[in-house]
Amino acid sequence: AQTVTQSQPEMSVQEAETVTLSCTYDTSESDYYLFWYKQPPSRQMILVIRQEAYKQQNATENRFSVNFQKAAKSFSLKISDSQLGDAAMYFCAYRPGMDSSYKLIFGSGTRLLVRP
Amino acid sequence: NAGVMQNPRHLVRRRGQEARLRCSPMKGHSHVYWYRQLPEEGLKFMVYLQKENIIDESGMPKERFSAEFPKEGPSILRIQQVVRGDSAAYFCASSLGRARVNEQFFGPGTRLTVL
Repeated sequence: AQTVTQSQPEMSVQEAETVTLSCTYDTSESDYYLFWYKQPPSRQMILVIRQEAYKQQNATENRFSVNFQKAAKSFSLKISDSQLGDAAMYFCAYRPGMDSSYKLIFGSGTRLLVRP
Repeated sequence: NAGVMQNPRHLVRRRGQEARLRCSPMKGHSHVYWYRQLPEEGLKFMVYLQKENIIDESGMPKERFSAEFPKEGPSILRIQQVVRGDSAAYFCASSLGRARVNEQFFGPGTRLTVL
């Protein structure tokens, strides 16, 4: 069974600094997608970044980037120049790449605190 | 272009009552997914529906829970005879299709509190 593990229940970062959130996953598939979602206090789930497993290049979206290590099954999120608005729960998620697969499997989340 | 709409945003029920949660997918989307988030946990898949069809309900409790997505109108997640353990946030997502390239867009969720 596929599982997603986020080992950091809470992280703290100083405004303008950089923070890295960890995520590991377990799968026997070779083709899949990985996601990072942000859930602010409003509880809306917002897609931050997506990585296709077949792509070697790490995905980047402005201040957000990932370090995708396929062999190690690791998918960490780096937030640069942290802002107060980045404070939220962050969830790592996995989805198999087959067309028939649609379930997103989420980790338990990491709460990010941003200190002014 | 409105996103995924869910209502109500907050719902309070007493034990034994019924809860009905509604989800209107994004315009043009015919695939709907329901997820449940228990306190301090990640989201867990419940059910996947297309118009008038339940495709996969493997994540749904066998009793008291049902879902539908009629030809017209929103998708409905129905919980009969609610218990305290049903208290959670229920999220709906929709996509254009089920193929790998189709992103699931999430609604704002319905927070159900059972007294």
